[in-house]
Amino acid sequence: IAGITQAPTSQILAAGRRMTLRCTQDMRHNAMYWYRQDLGLGLRLIHYSNTAGTTGKGEVPDGYSVSRANTDDFPLTLASAVPSQTSVYFCASSGQGARQFFGPGTRLTVL
Amino acid sequence: DQQVKQNSPSLSVQEGRISILNCDYTNSMFDYFLWYKKYPAEGPTFLISISSIKDKNEDGRFTVFLNKSAKHLSLHIVPSQPGDSAVYFCAAIDFGNEKLTFGTGTRLTIIP
Repeated sequence: IAGITQAPTSQILAAGRRMTLRCTQDMRHNAMYWYRQDLGLGLRLIHYSNTAGTTGKGEVPDGYSVSRANTDDFPLTLASAVPSQTSVYFCASSGQGARQFFGPGTRLTVL
Repeated sequence: DQQVKQNSPSLSVQEGRISILNCDYTNSMFDYFLWYKKYPAEGPTFLISISSIKDKNEDGRFTVFLNKSAKHLSLHIVPSQPGDSAVYFCAAIDFGNEKLTFGTGTRLTIIP
């Protein structure tokens, strides 16, 4: 059982380029989340989805978009990357209850 | 506005001693609190949680204490082991909006 997988593991991207971070879960969880982790700021919620077909904005949504076409996949897109989007990105999912399960992360560097 | 705060960015503890990690919050609507542990290059993993109706929850070497009047929770690890060296995040949830709010994390280093 893989749980949550994220791809790529890391990426260096030129500013202005478009990038999609992939996230797939096999736990049939309804809810999925994208966070970014920055030093001194902890984990901040970018976007979330309570169920397939719905999405919502988190704390820091600007510059990012998401889609939830099915239960398993929750891709995060940076339409035009900027250096301030350099971060480590974590996807998470949750079923019943508050506990969230996290993927291994994607380290993104925007130059 | 940081609703969940971990005021100690780092903590060093001798192996075998007690590690105490602290977390303060400002939102009295939080219903449930969780601690996550994160190793480098890995995602956070759930460690222990506590409901707002309780003041203590214990799981092996890990105990979480909640003081609602002070809006404070703490994680005790005893005895501390080298494998406990990691970053620890506290998190809280208001079941009304169903989203976790995380603290900024505390890096715990266990000294052999």
